[in-house]
Amino acid sequence: KAGVTQTPRYLIKTRGQQVTLSCSPISGHRSVSWYQQTPGQGLQFLFEYFSETQRNKGNFPGRFSGRQFSNSRSEMNVSTLELGDSALYLCASSPASTMNTEAFFGQGTRLTVV
Amino acid sequence: AQSVTQPDIHITVSEGASLELRCNYSYGATPYLFWYVQSPGQGLQLLLKYFSGDTLVQGIKGFEAEFKRSQSSFNLRKPSVHWSDAAEYFCAVGVKEYGNKLVFGAGTILRVKS
Repeated sequence: KAGVTQTPRYLIKTRGQQVTLSCSPISGHRSVSWYQQTPGQGLQFLFEYFSETQRNKGNFPGRFSGRQFSNSRSEMNVSTLELGDSALYLCASSPASTMNTEAFFGQGTRLTVV
Repeated sequence: AQSVTQPDIHITVSEGASLELRCNYSYGATPYLFWYVQSPGQGLQLLLKYFSGDTLVQGIKGFEAEFKRSQSSFNLRKPSVHWSDAAEYFCAVGVKEYGNKLVFGAGTILRVKS
């Protein structure tokens, strides 16, 4: 069974641009969560989608948005990029709507904003 | 709000020595508890999890953790560390009322000296 796939693995963008990151969960998983990892703030929850609906949202500005498609694939978008958005963005998939099992993480997308 | 504290930012142990990584959480009820490991530039791999039942849980790679409700702790242990265990370790808390959202500790970087 294929794992969680995140594309692209690396991305360099200029301040002010926007970016879209993609996450394909494990087959059959309907929950996708996104996390931002930085040296200063650690791992922070961005949002979770389940069956195309956002269920939870972290404390991030509105520039960060996401969506989930009917095949459970998810995208997150960051508009008007700032230098501080440079981070490793991790996606996690889970099979259920509640936490009765583990979350499986992808290898992440490393975003660098210059 | 839930929080997770990992008091040790760095730990160095000799190969073959025992290891204990500390984790304390703040939450009113019994949370779901996890330990993840991350190698540089990679995603997170689950070592073990606690949902309920036996408070001593066994994980992969010879790791175990003990849930102590009275101390709000979930410390990770390994009797004999191998050089390949060098990585960053994260303790995480999940709360079923928040779907699959995880709250992570700041992480502990483990160095193994030969």
